[in-house]
Amino acid sequence: SQQGEEDPQALSIQEGENATMNCSYKTSINNLQWYRQNSGRGLVHLILIRSNEREKHSGRLRVTLDTSKKSSSLLITASRAADTASYFCATVNISGTYKYIFGTGTRLKVLA
Amino acid sequence: NAGVMQNPRHLVRRRGQEARLRCSPMKGHSHVYWYRQLPEEGLKFMVYLQKENIIDESGMPKERFSAEFPKEGPSILRIQQVVRGDSAAYFCASSGQTYEQYFGPGTRLTVT
Repeated sequence: SQQGEEDPQALSIQEGENATMNCSYKTSINNLQWYRQNSGRGLVHLILIRSNEREKHSGRLRVTLDTSKKSSSLLITASRAADTASYFCATVNISGTYKYIFGTGTRLKVLA
Repeated sequence: NAGVMQNPRHLVRRRGQEARLRCSPMKGHSHVYWYRQLPEEGLKFMVYLQKENIIDESGMPKERFSAEFPKEGPSILRIQQVVRGDSAAYFCASSGQTYEQYFGPGTRLTVT
């Protein structure tokens, strides 16, 4: 399977704490994206980081990318109950048909 | 500019029936991707189509599943003789020349 993996599978934290989730992938990539999915809903695009970038910020989100280790991390600072959701990384290969390879997801629960 | 449209949003079928899922890409987009999400899992690539052509169907089950993207009208994912294991959320994404994909809200198929 080409599917990447997120770690941890599930994470439960208190409101105000930071949440860090990691994503590992298997092939050389063009870019990596992070998505949020609330239970039973569609995907919300959070952030895209290109293979030549190492770090990117968007509001309370910070994403890093280490292509030598084939891994990325998503940090959510000062978490809120509304951040409760599943988070997925998706990679796009540098060759082929540009299909997205999704990770298995991290289920984040933020307790109020 | 309307986003990617999928219909129906929810579909219930009895075992053995056919399911037809529709996806209208964003205006100007000629690339369509279908993904399946089983409960508690990440999205998995099924098929990539351009107008009137299947480009990559490496993720499609060998039997009962087919997809098309005609010159006019939406892309259709067709599942014949559905079984309980087909119950899942099916997401469509479209892209233009940049290959950045925009996701629809998904169709949730329940097989009873």
